[in-house]
Amino acid sequence: GEDVEQSLFLSVREGDSSVINCTYTDSSSTYLYWYKQEPGAGLQLLTYIFSNMDMKQDQRLTVLLNKKDKHLSLRIADTQTGDSAIYFCAESDRGTDKLIFGTGTRLQVFP
Amino acid sequence: DAGVTQSPTHLIKTRGQQVTLRCSPKSGHDTVSWYQQALGQGPQFIFQYYEEEERQRGNFPDRFSGHQFPNYSSELNVNALLLGDSALYLCASSLVAGGMGETQYFGPGTRLLVL
Repeated sequence: GEDVEQSLFLSVREGDSSVINCTYTDSSSTYLYWYKQEPGAGLQLLTYIFSNMDMKQDQRLTVLLNKKDKHLSLRIADTQTGDSAIYFCAESDRGTDKLIFGTGTRLQVFP
Repeated sequence: DAGVTQSPTHLIKTRGQQVTLRCSPKSGHDTVSWYQQALGQGPQFIFQYYEEEERQRGNFPDRFSGHQFPNYSSELNVNALLLGDSALYLCASSLVAGGMGETQYFGPGTRLLVL
């Protein structure tokens, strides 16, 4: 069945890099997404990667995709306190727009 | 460029009541999806509307229904509310649901509390 898993919590020092990991089960997913959710707010699209790509870089964000292991990661360079939030990995269901989300990783950045 | 908007922001209801939540999609988008996010969980897909019809549905009972209007805005209705319906309800819009993972943009959500 469809399932997306993430570790629950990550704590990093300001200025360090953060790496948030995700595993998914649907090998036919077309796109994989990273969303950010701040307390009491909706989801903000951070970046996405097409399934035929291995890597995508967007300013401080780097997405790595290992299709063989069904593993997705989000690296945030020079992590700032404003990056503190919950990060959700999501895959698009095969052939549709339905998004399947993980449970989210809470990133805490301390000075 | 107006993003996705939702109303109301917060709502308190009692068990057995009915509720209607509203969503206006991002300018230029024609597809609306609804998600339920329980506390501490990731969003769960409820259903999606395109061309005023329900295009796909998640694992939610018939108490959850929706509608899409000609201007692409949408409503989510929940009947016979249960305590377990307390959650953040998120609306997402996208352009031309072509079945290939069109990027969805989310609104701020409506937080529903059922007492």
